Amino acid sequence: EIVMTQSPATLSVSPGDRVTLSCRASQSISNNLAWYQKKPGQAPRFLIYSASTRATGIPARFSGSGSGTEFTLTISSLQSEDFAVYYCQQYDRWPLTFGGGTKVEIK
Amino acid sequence: EVQLVESGGGLVQPGGSLRLSCAASGFTFSSYAMSWLRQAPGRGLEWVSSLTGPGDGTMYADSVKGRFTISRDNSKNTLFLQLSSLRAEDTAVYSCARRYGSSHYYFDYWGQGTLVTVSS
Repeated sequence: EIVMTQSPATLSVSPGDRVTLSCRASQSISNNLAWYQKKPGQAPRFLIYSASTRATGIPARFSGSGSGTEFTLTISSLQSEDFAVYYCQQYDRWPLTFGGGTKVEIK
Repeated sequence: EVQLVESGGGLVQPGGSLRLSCAASGFTFSSYAMSWLRQAPGRGLEWVSSLTGPGDGTMYADSVKGRFTISRDNSKNTLFLQLSSLRAEDTAVYSCARRYGSSHYYFDYWGQGTLVTVSS
């Protein structure tokens, strides 16, 4: 099983800040990585696939990068609606696995 | 508009069974692979099972293999998950999700989920 590790677990930031979230795979997954945003009581929101391709309707302030085992999700200027938990997911091989999440909270 | 609405959750005793449903609308259901995922209280997301559009290919997480069964009724645009031999560690919000595209398993639409609580 591919283990996905996200860091940090929690990030305390202010609106307007640039935010960088990390996701590491225990073995190479090429660029087979997706990112999701999750708010309490809501369905996850699909943000990024193929490590760097934004899903339909996702604002340009969200960007993804990386390949192999190291990946990042960057939010260029954090908006109030961006405070949430972010998860990465590898789909290179079964079983599909998620990182433990990074909570982006208000400082 | 794509909608996925889960139902069937509830309180069940250890060793018990439950069947979850996911009603889909707003897209050609039979053309899409579907999956179940879960989130235990205070924990992250966990993939549970996936099923191809025609219903001829299934995958399960090791933690549920042999206990859970995924199925679908394309005539009714509904996905199911039969849960059996339930354990306390199966307590979670269970969500269905649609696979994006046709090659890899990542998910563009999710339901809000239905809570399954396994407790005596």
